[in-house]
Amino acid sequence: DAGVIQSPRHEVTEMGQEVTLRCKPISGHDYLFWYRQTMMRGLELLIYFNNNVPIDDSGMPEDRFSAKMPNASFSTLKIQPSEPRDSAVYFCASSLRAGRDYGYTFGSGTRLTVV
Amino acid sequence: AQSVTQLDSQVPVFEEAPVELRCNYSSSVSVYLFWYVQYPNQGLQLLLKYLSGSTLVKGINGFEAEFNKSQTSFHLRKPSVHISDTAEYFCAVKGGTSYGKLTFGQGTILTVHP
Repeated sequence: DAGVIQSPRHEVTEMGQEVTLRCKPISGHDYLFWYRQTMMRGLELLIYFNNNVPIDDSGMPEDRFSAKMPNASFSTLKIQPSEPRDSAVYFCASSLRAGRDYGYTFGSGTRLTVV
Repeated sequence: AQSVTQLDSQVPVFEEAPVELRCNYSSSVSVYLFWYVQYPNQGLQLLLKYLSGSTLVKGINGFEAEFNKSQTSFHLRKPSVHISDTAEYFCAVKGGTSYGKLTFGQGTILTVHP
């Protein structure tokens, strides 16, 4: 298996522009998670899906952020409009089940810079 | 809700020396504990996990961790580190009402010097 695939690896955009991050989970994994990593706040869970349905989006910072999972093999995280404080590394992870003994498989991340 | 505290933000050590990265958790229910490693410009990789049974858990790359319920700790150890172990290490907990969600500590940057 190719693992969790994220694109793009790097994104530089101007403030106010729309940004779309993409994720392909491991085939057969029922759960998909979006995390944001910054120096100040560490790893923050933004949202997670189970069988393509959003379960908990309490970590989404504000209405400028939205996430979708139209099918089992694809998810997007969109920021519109983007702001410099959104600069971070965004990770996608998937898990076979939510059971307590299952860890996550992470993608390599998207490094977002908003100027 | 559960939480994780990694007691050291940075740990410098010389090659071939032993190392311990400290992690404490808080939870009112049984939890499952994980250690992840993040190499520069990469995603997180699972090092090891504690589910139940033996309190000493062995993982990849010669790392091991010991679960101590009375002290609510899950410290990571390696008897002899290599330059290639330089990375950031994250302790994480899952369980309780946050079923399915991993809560991460702030991370510990391990730097191995020659």
